[in-house]
Amino acid sequence: GESVGLHLPTLSVQEGDNSIINCAYSNSASDYFIWYKQESGKGPQFIIDIRSNMDKRQGQRVTVLLNKTVKHLSLQIAATQPGDSAVYFCAEVDSSGYALNFGKGTSLLVTP
Amino acid sequence: EPEVTQTPSHQVTQMGQEVILRCVPISNHLYFYWYRQILGQKVEFLVSFYNNEISEKSEIFDDQFSVERPDGSNFTLKIRSTKLEDSAMYFCALGEGGISNQPQHFGDGTRLSIL
Repeated sequence: GESVGLHLPTLSVQEGDNSIINCAYSNSASDYFIWYKQESGKGPQFIIDIRSNMDKRQGQRVTVLLNKTVKHLSLQIAATQPGDSAVYFCAEVDSSGYALNFGKGTSLLVTP
Repeated sequence: EPEVTQTPSHQVTQMGQEVILRCVPISNHLYFYWYRQILGQKVEFLVSFYNNEISEKSEIFDDQFSVERPDGSNFTLKIRSTKLEDSAMYFCALGEGGISNQPQHFGDGTRLSIL
């Protein structure tokens, strides 16, 4: 079946550095993608989304890049802070149009 | 703050018993979802609910599971004859519009432990 996966299970960065979290997807028909942040004991928190008619979208300190040619999605976090430490999931809308298909998650650890 | 409150935060139940997990939206929403996350694994879709009926369900959501909005406000997930493998975090999510137009907002989940 279709799947969404992440390249790196863990990422450790120094406070103040930029972070890049990557995600590969296999469904070329996917047209909507979302990045979620999950802190310990909490539910997934929406960060930023992007539709397939865009290749870049920026939020506050975050940027999502979409490369449809290679079916790759990335989340860039500028000036990473300790509060950014969490697990980050990419998700795509599945073929039914109702369900989110999540990747396995990348754990981001920000060290002082 | 999440737009939805889930109760209980932790439920411990004997295998074979029934459990009801509750989701209380803070504001009006049209679309309701249940997801689960087994410890250390990814979040998995269970079911979506719109206009008082199921719009989509996954293979996980078999006859053991059911959902309803009994009073037009609370959104519940019932699991009958619980099994050990039902132990997981269960997340309720809400949406204002079709999933392709709006992100889903998740609650903080109910941790279900089956003994």
